[in-house]
Amino acid sequence: DGGITQSPKYLFRKEGQNVTLSCEQNLNHDAMYWYRQDPGQGLRLIYYSQIVNDFQKGDIAEGYSVSREKKESFPLTVTSAQKNPTAFYLCASSMTLMKKLFFGSGTQLSVL
Amino acid sequence: GESVGLHLPTLSVQEGDNSIINCAYSNSASDYFIWYKQESGKGPQFIIDIRSNMDKRQGQRVTVLLNKTVKHLSLQIAATQPGDSAVYFCAENPGSARQLTFGSGTQLTVLP
Repeated sequence: DGGITQSPKYLFRKEGQNVTLSCEQNLNHDAMYWYRQDPGQGLRLIYYSQIVNDFQKGDIAEGYSVSREKKESFPLTVTSAQKNPTAFYLCASSMTLMKKLFFGSGTQLSVL
Repeated sequence: GESVGLHLPTLSVQEGDNSIINCAYSNSASDYFIWYKQESGKGPQFIIDIRSNMDKRQGQRVTVLLNKTVKHLSLQIAATQPGDSAVYFCAENPGSARQLTFGSGTQLTVLP
């Protein structure tokens, strides 16, 4: 069953805590992305990676970090520096950069 | 930067009728467009895409029309079904592969 798997589906963060969202794909896609979605707004790009061991900041990278050690995996860490982390986080991948993105099912992050 | 907007935030249609969802874009350099469907609490699902060298593309029950003269994109859904109820949003790539710009979406509600 090919696709993109995000986990967990729901995540709660305490003040001052770092949390990591998982994203795994078995589509053999080179490019992977993290987006943030707030209610009633369009998707905003946090980070993207075109190839293993390389990634670029998107529009709202502050307070977030990523790694791309394997082609299949692109985890996102929401650090304590991100003061407003409550949002729906979406991971995506594509064969070609910024074309025909396929999305995971999302992680809802909330602050306790 | 350039942005993608939608004409109507909500659209209600009777089951069996055709739906038309509109999207205006402002970047004349955009050469690639995508429509996504997003159900509540889920990740966006790819519907159909179109390149700027085309003005129409058809899929299963869906048609995308591109009018580059007025920078307008539309998604037509034939014989709308209850399962079509979702938020639909478009995305554009301004041709430089920098990133996709997403609209905020239109909520489609199918009435029985």
